This record gives sequence, structure tokens and C-alpha cells, in this order.
Amino acid sequence: NAGVTQTPKFQVLKTGQSMTLQCAQDMNHNSMYWYRQDPGMGLRLIYYSASEGTTDKGEVPNGYNVSRLNKREFSLRLESAAPSQTSVYFCASSERDSYGYTFGSGTRLTVV
Amino acid sequence: DAKTTQPNSMESNEEEPVHLPCNHSTISGTDYIHWYRQLPSQGPEYVIHGLTSNVNNRMASLAIAEDRKSSTLILHRATLRDAAVYYCILRDDYGGATNKLIFGTGTLLAVQP
Repeated sequence: NAGVTQTPKFQVLKTGQSMTLQCAQDMNHNSMYWYRQDPGMGLRLIYYSASEGTTDKGEVPNGYNVSRLNKREFSLRLESAAPSQTSVYFCASSERDSYGYTFGSGTRLTVV
Repeated sequence: DAKTTQPNSMESNEEEPVHLPCNHSTISGTDYIHWYRQLPSQGPEYVIHGLTSNVNNRMASLAIAEDRKSSTLILHRATLRDAAVYYCILRDDYGGATNKLIFGTGTLLAVQP
């Protein structure tokens, strides 16, 4: 099925460990986004990539890095995980200047 | 960014219409009104969007006030599968991907059988 695929779906990290969340889309979209969602809250934008080769900070970029590997893939890296980064992470993609975002099913990350 | 105001929660009965309100008194002329919903344990999904005129699609209808300071998402016949958090978001679509979707806390819709 066409859409946005995120891996892994669940992950537990110890404080200070690093990991990379993967996201891939097969809709040939230009723009990709990473959001986090904490319990009882709306989504907050971490980083986005308007097109291949470009990345920009969103509302809450501290503690994260991103890589737009190619048009399909946009990864989110936590270099030194902290308990405050326990959250559900969503990747999304959209056409440039289009209205619809397609979201993945999320990665539930727990940092202990 | 212009902000939206939505009720925290609403209840509806199955097979009845649901009207979800959204206030956006500081909307600018180029802001589109977007609605997304998030089912439990899933990512958000696009529902509908509009600028000035009322809009209909297979999922819902969007009624926009003449002064654009408020809008209403209409689910014509609620089902149990419509229980979700509904987000009303303003976005300047002419700004391209640099104008991101900024989510608030939305309205939690409960549907009773």
C-alpha cells in the first residue's frame, strides 16, 4: 500500500544511547516532516525537509538531527537520548504547495 | 501564526450529525482552514480543507462563516469509527512547504452507540 512507513514501531532506550528513526514514503512527495506527540497534547514539529537536499528546524529541534537521504527517505537521529524525549514520533510527507499531509503510523519511543 | 480555538471534547450519538466548531478570529486572507483527525493509536489523517466557500467530500463537509472568523466541520452521520481527536489548523497554502501544519490540542469526539 502506498504511504509513509516508519521503523521501528516501538523502541526502548537507556539515557545517553543513540538511535535513528527511519521514515520512507513511496508517493514521490517533495516535502517530509518529523513531529512528536506527548500524552494529551497535539503534535509538535521537530524538523522538516521542503525538498531533497534541504532541512530546516521546526518548533522543538533541540536534541535531534535529521538527514534527507534521498527523495523517499527522511531520518531522525537522537544522539544522546534523554527521558524528556519519551514520546510518539510521527513522520509525514506532502507535495510541495499541496494541502494534504500523509502521516505514518508512528514510533513509540521510551527513554529510561 | 494565526491560532484556532476548539472545544476540548464533544459527544455524539451514532448515526446522528455532528457539528465540530472552530474559531479563528485572527485568520489572514491567505490562510486555508484545514481539518485533520487522529484515531486512537494512529497518525493524523487529512479530512478536508477550504478557503472561503463551503466544501464537501466523502468524509465530511466544511462550513465557513462569511467573515471567515469561524468554521464548522460537519460529519453527516457519525459512526463509532469517527471517534477521534479532530484538529482545526490554519495554513497559508501559498507559502508552500515552508508554511507547516501547526497542531493544537483539538477536539476529542466521543460517539455513543
